[in-house]
Amino acid sequence: DAGVTQSPTHLIKTRGQHVTLRCSPISGHKSVSWYQQVLGQGPQFIFQYYEKEERGRGNFPDRFSARQFPNYSSELNVNALLLGDSALYLCASSSLTFTYEQYFGPGTRLTVT
Amino acid sequence: GENVEQHPSTLSVQEGDSAVIKCTYSDSASNYFPWYKQELGKRPQLIIDIRSNVGEKKDQRIAVTLNKTAKHFSLHITETQPEDSAVYFCARTGSNNAGNMLTFGGGTRLMVKP
Repeated sequence: DAGVTQSPTHLIKTRGQHVTLRCSPISGHKSVSWYQQVLGQGPQFIFQYYEKEERGRGNFPDRFSARQFPNYSSELNVNALLLGDSALYLCASSSLTFTYEQYFGPGTRLTVT
Repeated sequence: GENVEQHPSTLSVQEGDSAVIKCTYSDSASNYFPWYKQELGKRPQLIIDIRSNVGEKKDQRIAVTLNKTAKHFSLHITETQPEDSAVYFCARTGSNNAGNMLTFGGGTRLMVKP
């Protein structure tokens, strides 16, 4: 799990702005999932990508989008930010091929003012 | 649906006592049940997991039990230590979705008093 990296660590944005969050999975893992964790709650699933294709999408508006690159890193984009988008955004890495285990990165703390 | 209910929301125990956290789920297609520990300001850390074809799994002071008929699973921590203090999340995933999307419970704040 120490191999999952995310950037930036913290981010402050204004309502209406756009944000891009980045994630690099554990070496050898081909799947990346994104989760939103609001303070005091469990993580909520946003997207999963495997081999650069979307494999799952959670109940989030179209303002949220993501993609996965050939090196298996991933970006999460959020447009037209709302105050309610303030949260910890977690990236999880999984090999998916042989196992269900998901390992989380340190997260990006997004604050929307 | 795919909801996961977790209880209790807070749990305070004396050092050396046992702690039990319980979760129930609704989707009968669920087949993998991990538990995560999250310390303040840190990432969720996978501490133990169980697959649907197994009823119990142990790893030192931690154990997880699964009752598929009743659709509930539990985390047991024995001989608790102050460093066990954290928020614990149960989760599930199943074959009803491509990939392995996790649905999490609401979390249990465990406090171990020295």
